[in-house]
Amino acid sequence: TQLLEQSPQFLSIQEGENLTVYCNSSSVFSSLQWYRQEPGEGPVLLVTVVTGGEVKKLKRLTFQFGDARKDSSLHITAAQPGDTGLYLCAGAGRGSARQLTFGSGTQLTVLP
Amino acid sequence: EADIYQTPRYLVIGTGKKITLECSQTMGHDKMYWYQQDPGMELHLIHYSYGVNSTEKGDLSSESTVSRIRTEHFPLTLESARPSHTSQYLCASSGTGTDTQYFGPGTRLTVL
Repeated sequence: TQLLEQSPQFLSIQEGENLTVYCNSSSVFSSLQWYRQEPGEGPVLLVTVVTGGEVKKLKRLTFQFGDARKDSSLHITAAQPGDTGLYLCAGAGRGSARQLTFGSGTQLTVLP
Repeated sequence: EADIYQTPRYLVIGTGKKITLECSQTMGHDKMYWYQQDPGMELHLIHYSYGVNSTEKGDLSSESTVSRIRTEHFPLTLESARPSHTSQYLCASSGTGTDTQYFGPGTRLTVL
């Protein structure tokens, strides 16, 4: 069974601060996705990373896939209250199954 | 934006009732999934399907059943609901050759 550990589990910061969320595993993933989920809604895809060492930027969000494809990070610059939500990483297994294993999530609160 | 729909959004029922949670997608995706999620927690896969007439159980044991008679439709049924079934149920779909999953808004189920 592949496990994904996310840290921190909870994060409360002031508007304008920077933050990084980590997603770690001992398993290798063929790809990794980051989702953001608001209360009472389904997760919404932010990004998919596929290549080891890959860095993707989405406005103030920067995503990195580790060289060995076992870990990933999400960095938010100058956080805003609209960034508040549950951030989930999910890794796709290798082989034909390719199901997603979800991390435990990071609940981010950005205070105005 | 993904076109995947779930009904009802909220359901409160008594113990012993039979319920069906609906999930439909208009993207022609061959793969569909059901997840169970407690508030602010990780997602647990309970069922998945890789095509019509194909269904498999996920990692989390569930008393629910699913069917996949049409590509676009993947309903989940509980024959006799219990309070332990209280949770959020999320449906997702994924296209051929990609690991990325698109989620519906979820059904919040409360069994009294």
